[in-house]
Amino acid sequence: DVKVTQSSRYLVKRTGEKVFLECVQDMDHENMFWYRQDPGLGLRLIYFSYDVKMKEKGDIPEGYSVSREKKERFSLILESASTNQTSMYLCASSGTDTNYGYTFGSGTRLTVV
Amino acid sequence: SQQGEEDPQALSIQEGENATMNCSYKTSINNLQWYRQNSGRGLVHLILIRSNEREKHSGRLRVTLDTSKKSSSLLITASRAADTASYFCATGPPSNDYKLSFGAGTTVTVRA
Repeated sequence: DVKVTQSSRYLVKRTGEKVFLECVQDMDHENMFWYRQDPGLGLRLIYFSYDVKMKEKGDIPEGYSVSREKKERFSLILESASTNQTSMYLCASSGTDTNYGYTFGSGTRLTVV
Repeated sequence: SQQGEEDPQALSIQEGENATMNCSYKTSINNLQWYRQNSGRGLVHLILIRSNEREKHSGRLRVTLDTSKKSSSLLITASRAADTASYFCATGPPSNDYKLSFGAGTTVTVRA
């Protein structure tokens, strides 16, 4: 069964901490994405990557960075966590055949206190 | 930026009834996709319809697309309790259709 795995389901961090959210996919997909999901706002794209070491800003990149050193792994980094980054974070991947859409991970619910 | 908007925001139906939700979008698209999200989980891809298609079926799902009105609808027939979830439309622009923009979703509750 193909899978996108996010390292944590729930995470609680303190304001100012550096936070790493990890995402691994086993489908050899080229494209990987990080979204955050907030009530009433839907999913908003933070960053995406279409190849190893390549990254592009999405709609809300401020306060975040990403790393993709290997094809299967895409990490989201909160440089200095703030309370307004409390959210559900969703990782997704997709291949070059867009007919199959995205495969999502189960999400990480991050609370910054 | 958020491209699609689903309507209604919430829907409550009896088991066995049909559920219909709509999606409107603003700019040209290459394809439109529908996803389901069960409470607190990731999204699951349901169906994709390309801009040159008008209707598509998959099991109990029927999707229509009207590019002249920039709108799509998702129909779930003979609903079941397991269909209780949030449903999202997502659109891919012609320039790079692997980069999707999602709407805020329609929450569907199926009552037993």
